[in-house]
Amino acid sequence: KNEVEQSPQNLTAQEGEFITINCSYSVGISALHWLQQHPGGGIVSLFMLSSGKKKHGRLIATINIQEKHSSLHITASHPRDSAVYICALLGGGADGLTFGKGTHLIIQP
Amino acid sequence: ETGVTQTPRHLVMGMTNKKSLKCEQHLGHNAMYWYKQSAKKPLELMFVYSLEERVENNSVPSRFSPECPNSSHLFLHLHTLQPEDSALYLCASSQRGVGDTQYFGPGTRLTVL
Repeated sequence: KNEVEQSPQNLTAQEGEFITINCSYSVGISALHWLQQHPGGGIVSLFMLSSGKKKHGRLIATINIQEKHSSLHITASHPRDSAVYICALLGGGADGLTFGKGTHLIIQP
Repeated sequence: ETGVTQTPRHLVMGMTNKKSLKCEQHLGHNAMYWYKQSAKKPLELMFVYSLEERVENNSVPSRFSPECPNSSHLFLHLHTLQPEDSALYLCASSQRGVGDTQYFGPGTRLTVL
């Protein structure tokens, strides 16, 4: 079974700060998803990546397959970025996605 | 209307009730999923349907019964639930299978009294 660890569990930062959220796992995977869940429950898929780096607007996701680690970065953070960020693994012995517990991010104005 | 929709958004039911959750996707996808999200726990995959056939059932109690009449609609029939079944139930869809990006509905917040 793939063990997924996200850190930090909770993060409060000021508007404009550079944010990093980490995801580590124990078993090799074929791909990793970063998801964003807003208060109320709706989930949006931000990235799916299997190597290297992807960028979309102020969001950057990186993955290091050898080190079994991925990071999600938010530049120039804004209160509307406040949400729970979840990493989800594809592969690693599981038939479906294996989800982390999420990082609860609050950006204060 | 586009995306993945779920109804109802909120549901309160007694342990002896029978109710159904509905999910509809307007994306032309071939795979649909039911997830359960309990407080302070990771998302749990409950059921996967691909081309209207159930391909995965993650040891879900029989009081949860899925139905996929066509590739656009997915139901979760509920009966004799327990209070610990209270959770957010999320539906998702993807083009083919779990390797593709999944698009989530807004969820149904279920409370079992």
